[in-house]
Amino acid sequence: EVQLVESGGGLVQPGRSLRLSCAASGFTFDDYAMHWVRQAPGKGLEWVSGISWNSGSIGYADSVKGRFTISRDNAKNSLYLQMNSLRAEDTALYYCAKDKGIEQEGAFDIWGQGTMVTVSS
Amino acid sequence: QSALTQPASVSGSPGQSITISCTGTSSDVGSYNLVSWYQQHPGKAPKLMIYEVSKRPSGVSNRFSGSKSGNTASLTISGLQAEDEADYYCCSYAGSSSYVVFGGGTKLTVL
Repeated sequence: EVQLVESGGGLVQPGRSLRLSCAASGFTFDDYAMHWVRQAPGKGLEWVSGISWNSGSIGYADSVKGRFTISRDNAKNSLYLQMNSLRAEDTALYYCAKDKGIEQEGAFDIWGQGTMVTVSS
Repeated sequence: QSALTQPASVSGSPGQSITISCTGTSSDVGSYNLVSWYQQHPGKAPKLMIYEVSKRPSGVSNRFSGSKSGNTASLTISGLQAEDEADYYCCSYAGSSSYVVFGGGTKLTVL
């Protein structure tokens, strides 16, 4: 079964850090680009970051650039998001999503169930 | 990275057709045939309905179709059914500096 399972979310104070993980199974992980997409409570989808199949191409939304770092470990079929200097506006459900291509094209055909990040004092 | 523009809401009766527009710029929708559409039911993860402007993934009903003209993409749902009631989001590739941008979402109500 093709599956993405996120973990690592939780309640964190402003200014602190958190690392999200996404475990992939059921497909050849290193054949595809991967992304993080978030959704604040009651709001729409926001692309956060993406990484190509070999980590050669990485992109970030302006809202997280310089604070978040995406990475992947193809040997472990895992995607990560290191989030530093967290702000209240980063509070959201964070989805891991598989791209249909090896490069970032924005066609997300597989989604995880999400992990909730709450930034609050 | 400006969000693509979608109507906040659309509605239709069962059996009717509706179209949701998604307006971007010449830097995203207008430059690439990499527009996708997602359906999201409450409390659920989004589901890919259309990719590369007009292609349907396996298992998606042929009642869903996509198109593009200039900087505006469109999703058409024909033969509306109650289960089509959901939020719909468009998404476009925006080049190697911005990569991906979503629309604000459209709530579809089936009357």
